[in-house]
Amino acid sequence: KNEVEQSPQNLTAQEGEFITINCSYSVGISALHWLQQHPGGGIVSLFMLSSGKKKHGRLIATINIQEKHSSLHITASHPRDSAVYICAVGGSRLTFGEGTQLTVNP
Amino acid sequence: DTGVSQDPRHKITKRGQNVTFRCDPISEHNRLYWYRQTLGQGPEFLTYFQNEAQLEKSRLLSDRFSAERPKGSFSTLEIQRTEQGDSAMYLCAGGGRGVYEQYFGPGTRLTVT
Repeated sequence: KNEVEQSPQNLTAQEGEFITINCSYSVGISALHWLQQHPGGGIVSLFMLSSGKKKHGRLIATINIQEKHSSLHITASHPRDSAVYICAVGGSRLTFGEGTQLTVNP
Repeated sequence: DTGVSQDPRHKITKRGQNVTFRCDPISEHNRLYWYRQTLGQGPEFLTYFQNEAQLEKSRLLSDRFSAERPKGSFSTLEIQRTEQGDSAMYLCAGGGRGVYEQYFGPGTRLTVT
């Protein structure tokens, strides 16, 4: 069993749909990161959180420390949101999930 | 733009050759991380520097791999006697004021033929 598990592995949505990606982890953490990776490899940090909830534009990230679970929500999804979304946990060194491939169709 | 640059962006090499990658974080990044990402997988930690000191190395970093950060600024990752299994994206991340923040570079994609 991986230390960081994401679900679903693949997600296809229609433009405008509300999207949720889940991350469960089994290790103690100092922070949890949500990352976005577009084709070509570049990784962009979306959120870093250690408690509660953060919002940036159409993106919302929540974390429940007791349940060792985090969710990334995308409201009013758009085709440009199509990317791989990766959950990573740790302190100085990160342990990554395998990513969720999101495809948003127009 | 995170300010972290990596060079080259793509490298194709023949098995058995040596390759060296470079990462340039911004000056505020006293921490620097190297990760490796194989196709379809999430990145895996390789090594971590605090300024010029290499503080942690993964077991993934075999004796063919060496990383340096001689002046606490840029870093290099060298792979000797490359193998086809070394084909991957090599990612560098810088960390600064926020102790857990990491800012990723665009990566170097290595293909070993």
